[in-house]
Amino acid sequence: DIQMTQSPSSVSASVGDRVTITCRASQDISEWLAWYQQRPGKAPKLLIYAASSLQSGVPPRFSGSKSGTDFTLTIDSLQPEDFATYYCQQANSFPLTFGPGTKLDIK
Amino acid sequence: QVQLVESGGGVVQPGRSLRLSCAASGFAFSDYAVFWVRQAPGKGLEWLAFISYDGSNTFYADSVKGRFTISRDNSKNTLHLEMNSLRPEDTAVYFCAREATTVTTNFGMDVWGQGTTVTVSS
Repeated sequence: DIQMTQSPSSVSASVGDRVTITCRASQDISEWLAWYQQRPGKAPKLLIYAASSLQSGVPPRFSGSKSGTDFTLTIDSLQPEDFATYYCQQANSFPLTFGPGTKLDIK
Repeated sequence: QVQLVESGGGVVQPGRSLRLSCAASGFAFSDYAVFWVRQAPGKGLEWLAFISYDGSNTFYADSVKGRFTISRDNSKNTLHLEMNSLRPEDTAVYFCAREATTVTTNFGMDVWGQGTTVTVSS
């Protein structure tokens, strides 16, 4: 099974900051990585698919990139509604696996 | 609007069974593969099961293989998860989700239900 790791596990930032979250796959998953945002008590929301494609309706301050088996989610100019937990998910092969999550909170 | 609504959660004793349902509306359900994902209290997301658009292919996480069965009724726009031999560690919020495209399962899950809570306890 493909294992997904994320770093950091938590990060504190302020409104207007730029934040970067990293996800690493234990083996090659090509570009098949998705990023989700989850606010407390809510369902996850798809932000990025295929490593760097922005899901329809998601603000362009969210972006994704890939370097080898490392993937990065960047949030530019943090807004109050961005404080949430972020998960990566490999969509390359079954069993699908999620990263453990990164909690983004207000500094 | 495009929507998934789960139902069927509740409190159940260890070893018993429960059937979850997920009602789809606002889109051509029979065109899309769908998934079940769960989240234990205070924990991360765990993918559980997949079923292809026509029900011909299914995949399961090892943690539920042999105990849970995913199925769908395209005539009723409904997805099901039959859960047997439930354990306390199955306690979680269970979400159904739609694949983001009809072309491939590689693009993630773009529509999610609100979740239904399953508590396994004596």
